[in-house]
This record gives sequence, structure tokens and C-alpha cells, in this order.
Amino acid sequence: AQKVTQAQTEISVVEKEDVTLDCVYETRDTTYYLFWYKQPPSGELVFLIRRNSFDEQNEISGRYSWNFQKSTSSFNFTITASQVVDSAVYFCALVQGGSEKLVFGKGTKLTVNP
Amino acid sequence: DSGVTQTPKHLITATGQRVTLRCSPRSGDLSVYWYQQSLDQGLQFLIQYYNGEERAKGNILERFSAQQFPDLHSELNLSSLELGDSALYFCASSPTGVGNTGELFFGEGSRLTVL
Repeated sequence: AQKVTQAQTEISVVEKEDVTLDCVYETRDTTYYLFWYKQPPSGELVFLIRRNSFDEQNEISGRYSWNFQKSTSSFNFTITASQVVDSAVYFCALVQGGSEKLVFGKGTKLTVNP
Repeated sequence: DSGVTQTPKHLITATGQRVTLRCSPRSGDLSVYWYQQSLDQGLQFLIQYYNGEERAKGNILERFSAQQFPDLHSELNLSSLELGDSALYFCASSPTGVGNTGELFFGEGSRLTVL
């Protein structure tokens, strides 16, 4: 069975601080895909990244970076120099290769205070 | 803007009623997914269609049904509504499938309130 755990329910930081959102996953498959989505207060789900299980290279996109470590089954997300606009709920998700059932974690609510 | 369009954005109805939520996928996307987001259950996969055919089923109640039409738009029908059905219902689309090489793009959701 697949499972995604986001142990941090809520995080509050001050603007310009760096913040890391943790994601730990469970799957028995060797082929799988990991995702991060952002849900701002307006409610829509915004796609941030998709990573397959065979690509462990870390990725950086502007102030966002992702650290994928198969050894610890983790796919952590770091926001550098956080901004108020980063305030949102962030979801980590997992799907097994060939499956269509994307399994989401419970989400981490990030509040960035000015 | 993800390109996925959902209507209505908000819906308030009474217990026992039936509602239909509509979704237009991104242009060219053959796969449509429905998800339910509630405070207690989080984001739950309901059902997926690919080019008109049901492909995968998740935690969808028997009171709920969906279909995908030849023009690829999809509808989610919720009947005999209960208070616990109040939730945000998301539609998402993908060019192939999320479990292959496809990404999954979500609409803005339809917020259903059952009174």
C-alpha cells in the first residue's frame, strides 16, 4: 500500500527565512512518481514538481528546491528566502507506476509573516 | 490558470438532493480525474476516466457516479446528499495518465455545501 506522511501540520516563519517541508513516503514499487502541490487560500491546487523514482537528482527552481532521497524515502521541499505569497498549504503526493491513484499527504500549512 | 474548468464554483443544497458537477479538461488531455477534499479525509481520489472509459476507481460512494463524454468533458453526479458530502470537489486532467509520464493539472474546484 502507498502512504505519504507530512508530519508537520503547520509551520510559521518570518519573511526571508528558509523553510523545509518534510515528506516521507511508503511504497513497495520500484517505479513511482512523487509530486508537490501548492494550495493557496484561494483554494486551487497548483502543480509544483513531479519526480520519478529513478531520478534522485535534486532540483532547484528559483527559490524552490527539492531533495529526493530514496534511502530515507523522503522528498523534502525547501523554500529559500520565504515570502508572504508563499503562504499556502503544501501537499506531497505519490503514485505507483502504471496506477492512476495519486495518494496525497495531509498537507503542511505554511504561514509566512511579514 | 491550469486550463481545467470546473462549474459551478460554489453550490449550496439540502440533504437528500442531487447535484451535478461539470469539468472541462485541458485541451488535448484524455484523462479526467475527480478528487474530494474534506477536512477530515483530506484529498481523496474518487474516479478516473480515459477517453470516455472508466479506468480507475477510488473511494467513491455508491451514491456518486461519473461519466466522460465524447467531447472529453466529465460530470460527477452526487445523489441522496448527506451533510458529510460537503467538501471541495476537484477535477484534474492529464494528457496520458498520472502513473505514466503525465502530470496532473487541477481545476479550481467546486465547493459543495449540504445543509
